[in-house]
Amino acid sequence: DAGVIQSPRHEVTEMGQEVTLRCKPISGHNSLFWYRQTMMRGLELLIYFNNNVPIDDSGMPEDRFSAKMPNASFSTLKIQPSEPRDSAVYFCASSPTGTKHGYTFGSGTRLTVV
Amino acid sequence: GQQVMQIPQYQHVQEGEDFTTYCNSSTTLSNIQWYKQRPGGHPVFLIQLVKSGEVKKQKRLTFQFGEAKKNSSLHITATQTTDVGTYFCAGRYGNNRLAFGKGNQVVVIP
Repeated sequence: DAGVIQSPRHEVTEMGQEVTLRCKPISGHNSLFWYRQTMMRGLELLIYFNNNVPIDDSGMPEDRFSAKMPNASFSTLKIQPSEPRDSAVYFCASSPTGTKHGYTFGSGTRLTVV
Repeated sequence: GQQVMQIPQYQHVQEGEDFTTYCNSSTTLSNIQWYKQRPGGHPVFLIQLVKSGEVKKQKRLTFQFGEAKKNSSLHITATQTTDVGTYFCAGRYGNNRLAFGKGNQVVVIP
């Protein structure tokens, strides 16, 4: 089991550029989560999918952020245009459906917007 | 809003000593999870507590869920350098949303 796979591991981009973060969840996990982690705000849930359908996107900061899950094995988080305040570590996590399971996190993408 | 508060935010612990970290919610939780994140790493799931008053042990780690299901604690005995990291609790509310605390960053002094 390769775990949750995220790419890239690091991304440095200029303000105004589009950024796309990618995630491959664990096979068989029906729930997928995107989190953002900063020192000031901790771990924030951005969006949550169940069976490829967005269930809760109330954590998405603004219209510059969008997320898709075209199939059970792939999800993207896009920021367009990026701003310096978007600099953070973005984690993708997956879990089986239901409340009995912990989340498996990917290694994260460290995004720096200059 | 629904959130869990963790105290303390930071701890320096002498190797070999015990320490406890706490997690509190103002409203009742359906369950609570604990995670550990090593420096530069990602959160790793440790355990989930579901029942009122539940106690679970993992080697030197003891997890408790309060009787009112509003608080939880993690107690580590005989601290080792491998215990360094940030410990997060995450409380699940009735709407199935999991809310992470801001974590307790633990530094182990050799």
